[in-house]
Amino acid sequence: DAGVIQSPRHEVTEMGQEVTLRCKPISGHNSLFWYRQTMMRGLELLIYFNNNVPIDDSGMPEDRFSAKMPNASFSTLKIQPSEPRDSAVYFCASSFIRLAGPRYEQYFGPGTRLTVT
Amino acid sequence: TQLLEQSPQFLSIQEGENLTVYCNSSSVFSSLQWYRQEPGEGPVLLVTVVTGGEVKKLKRLTFQFGDARKDSSLHITAAQTGDTGLYLCAGLPNSGAGSYQLTFGKGTKLSVIP
Repeated sequence: DAGVIQSPRHEVTEMGQEVTLRCKPISGHNSLFWYRQTMMRGLELLIYFNNNVPIDDSGMPEDRFSAKMPNASFSTLKIQPSEPRDSAVYFCASSFIRLAGPRYEQYFGPGTRLTVT
Repeated sequence: TQLLEQSPQFLSIQEGENLTVYCNSSSVFSSLQWYRQEPGEGPVLLVTVVTGGEVKKLKRLTFQFGDARKDSSLHITAAQTGDTGLYLCAGLPNSGAGSYQLTFGKGTKLSVIP
């Protein structure tokens, strides 16, 4: 099992440019989560999908952020236009969620470190 | 909004010492998870506790869920340099069906010095 795969691992871009982060969840998982981690705010949930459908995007900071999950094996997080305050580590996590039960595990990818100059 | 406060924020100890880190909230959670994150990597799940008062052991790590399911602690016995990392607690809301969003604390950054 390859685990959750994220690309790129590092991205450096200039303010105003479009940034696309990619995620391949673990095969068989039905839920996918995008998080952002900074020293100041810790780990924040941006959006999560269940069965490829966005369930809650209330954590997306503003309209510059968008996420898609066209199929069960791929998701993207896009920032357009990017700003210096978007600099952070972005994590993707996947999980298999059953209808009931408080026990479920989220498996995190290695993250993408984004620097916007 | 359900918040999780972790303390201490930073902890530096000598190898062989014992330590306890805390995760507190005013909200009730249906379960609470502990993750460890190493530099340059994503968080890795260590344990999930579900029942109030539950205690789980993972080698030298002991996890406890508070009786009221509002808080948790992680105790490490005889810390080793390999325990160094960021320890995150995460709670699953007690809001019934439909919510699978974990709320994360900001973490305790542990450094174990040889």
